[in-house]
Amino acid sequence: DTAVSQTPKYLVTQMGNDKSIKCEQNLGHDTMYWYKQDSKKFLKIMFSYNNKELIINETVPNRFSPKSPDKAHLNLHINSLELGDSAVYFCASSQSRSTRTYEQYFGPGTRLTVT
Amino acid sequence: QKEVEQNSGPLSVPEGAIASLNCTYSDRGSQSFFWYRQYSGKSPELIMSIYSNGDKEDGRFTAQLNKASQYVSLLIRDSQPSDSATYLCASSRGSGTYKYIFGTGTRLKVLA
Repeated sequence: DTAVSQTPKYLVTQMGNDKSIKCEQNLGHDTMYWYKQDSKKFLKIMFSYNNKELIINETVPNRFSPKSPDKAHLNLHINSLELGDSAVYFCASSQSRSTRTYEQYFGPGTRLTVT
Repeated sequence: QKEVEQNSGPLSVPEGAIASLNCTYSDRGSQSFFWYRQYSGKSPELIMSIYSNGDKEDGRFTAQLNKASQYVSLLIRDSQPSDSATYLCASSRGSGTYKYIFGTGTRLKVLA
């Protein structure tokens, strides 16, 4: 069974469109994340939810809106897509405790190409 | 100043040798450290985590942490061509914050 899954794996769309990426984890974790990995392979946190509550919201354009319907799911909706949004988006999850950050496990990624 | 720094490489080692990957971090409040391996076109895969000063061994991998020097390293013994990948170092403050700061990664090439 896949621990962290994402759909779709590939997404090709035109500038100005709106698209969503979905993530699901079956590890029983309480925290989920969205990362963006750009063409230079730099991996940067975008958002994080803990028990459905937004706890990390990095400097990301308002066009990006995460939503966590429950602990096992985290979606990312992107409005008015721009060329610079082209990247690989990774979902991750972890079971976090108050005094230590535990390991994050990544999904397979969604390669978004905006033309 | 980058918060987590790694040499981008490539680091080339012959098969069977020890590969040494290094990482420095600037945030003295960092408590947790992680090494991930990422093959081209794939997602980051957790290799090891380390939280205390000293060495932590897992199979062919040894992570080393020196908080005083703000330095983390990963040693890969008996390197294999299948170890060729990009290795990402990450740090986190922990204590209720869940943010990882990743380095830009070191590309390792193990030559057969």
